[in-house]
Amino acid sequence: DTEVTQTPKHLVMGMTNKKSLKCEQHMGHRAMYWYKQKAKKPPELMFVYSYEKLSINESVPSRFSPECPNSSLLNLHLHALQPEDSALYLCASSQGHGEAFFGQGTRLTVV
Amino acid sequence: GENVEQHPSTLSVQEGDSAVIKCTYSDSASNYFPWYKQELGKRPQLIIDIRSNVGEKKDQRIAVTLNKTAKHFSLHITETQPEDSAVYFCAASRGDDKIIFGKGTRLHILP
Repeated sequence: DTEVTQTPKHLVMGMTNKKSLKCEQHMGHRAMYWYKQKAKKPPELMFVYSYEKLSINESVPSRFSPECPNSSLLNLHLHALQPEDSALYLCASSQGHGEAFFGQGTRLTVV
Repeated sequence: GENVEQHPSTLSVQEGDSAVIKCTYSDSASNYFPWYKQELGKRPQLIIDIRSNVGEKKDQRIAVTLNKTAKHFSLHITETQPEDSAVYFCAASRGDDKIIFGKGTRLHILP
């Protein structure tokens, strides 16, 4: 299995809602990532988990809360988001040598 | 801080011609340089990469060159085809968890 799977593919949520994005990989990769991508921009790193521990937090607002339940799963909990948080959220995994394999992403719209 | 500059931001080439995208990096400790292709509405996909102990790598119509002294690396696509139309991102990493992306090049293949 060489896939990184993300659910849901699309999500519309209100500013008072709580929702979660999910990511799964079965490649045995030790590192998992959350990226945010706005239209016509490169992926912007949010969080990195290495061996299930948070290793990088790129000063992301606390309304985004990552969780790594085990080495195959990565979640991103969302609460009290703003319309400007609307973007494509990409999960990725890596063996930790610099390469990253991306999931298909969740297109999030905050209304 | 770490930075990756990518040029041009937009590139149009006639089908069958070659395309070249250039990047420079600032962190001399960078030792891994992947290239990603992102088609409209899809995930970034790793298409080729190069490590700092190699000067050039080729995979069919795609090649990447690296000049460590000048901190330059380039993507070369020969015999371009319509399916090569996409956004291409270069990136640099120290071979650890953090990957720094360039701003992207939108490649148009003209019929």
